Amino acid sequence: QSALTQPASMSASPGQSITISCTGASSDIGSYNLVSWYQQHPTRAPKLLIYEVTKWPSGVSNRYSGSKSGNTAFLTISGLQAEDEADYYCSSYVGDSNYVFGSGTKVTVL
Amino acid sequence: QVQLQQWGAGLLRPSETLSLSCAVYGAPFTDFFWSWIRQSPGKGLEWIGEINFRGSTYYNPSLQSRVTISVDSSRNQFSLRLNFVTVADTAVYYCARGPSGMYRASFDYWDQGALVTVSP
Repeated sequence: QSALTQPASMSASPGQSITISCTGASSDIGSYNLVSWYQQHPTRAPKLLIYEVTKWPSGVSNRYSGSKSGNTAFLTISGLQAEDEADYYCSSYVGDSNYVFGSGTKVTVL
Repeated sequence: QVQLQQWGAGLLRPSETLSLSCAVYGAPFTDFFWSWIRQSPGKGLEWIGEINFRGSTYYNPSLQSRVTISVDSSRNQFSLRLNFVTVADTAVYYCARGPSGMYRASFDYWDQGALVTVSP
C-alpha cells in the first residue's frame, strides 16, 4: 500500500485560508469515510485535528475543517495564524485492518 | 490525563532486533487498541501495527514478516519487536492510542517519540 499523495509544501499569508489535498484510490479514501488529519510541529509528536473526514476531536479549533470528494480528502485551515506553520499528514483506513499515512505537507505562514 | 511513555535501545546494528515498550497512564487500557507508528528521518509516517488488551494484533503487511507486538495488560504496557533490522529501519518510533477508541480510525494520544538508529 503506497502512501497517500499530498503536496510537498504550501504557503499563505496570515488570515488567509489554505486547503491541503490528500489523494488516494478507490480502494482506500474512495471506499471509507475514515480519513484523519494530523499536525506536527518540529520535533513534536503529531496531533489529531480531524477524524472520520469531517469530525473534530475535543479541544481542536474549528478553524480546521475536513472534507472529501471521490478519492481525495481535504483539510482546510481558515484564518491562518503563525502557529499553523507545521507539517500536516492525512491518514486513511485502507481495509484489512491496515492504515496508511500521506506523504506530508509543509505549511509556511508568510 | 492520558500519557504514554516508551523505552528501549536507541542504537542497533544491522540484523539485530529492535525492542521497544510503551506504558500507558491515565486511560482505561482495556477500552482501546494501541499502536506503533514510525517516522523515518525527513519522511512521513508509517503505521506498524496495533494490539488490544486481549492480545489481538493487526500488522502493516509490509512489515508483518518481521514484526511482533505484544501486551502486558496487568501493567498497562505493550511492546514492539522488529527482527533483522536494516539501515532503512532508522526512524523515530511512536507509541499511540488508536485506531479504535474514542475517535474512530485515528490516533489521539502519542508519546514523545524515540529515535532508533541502525548503523553498521
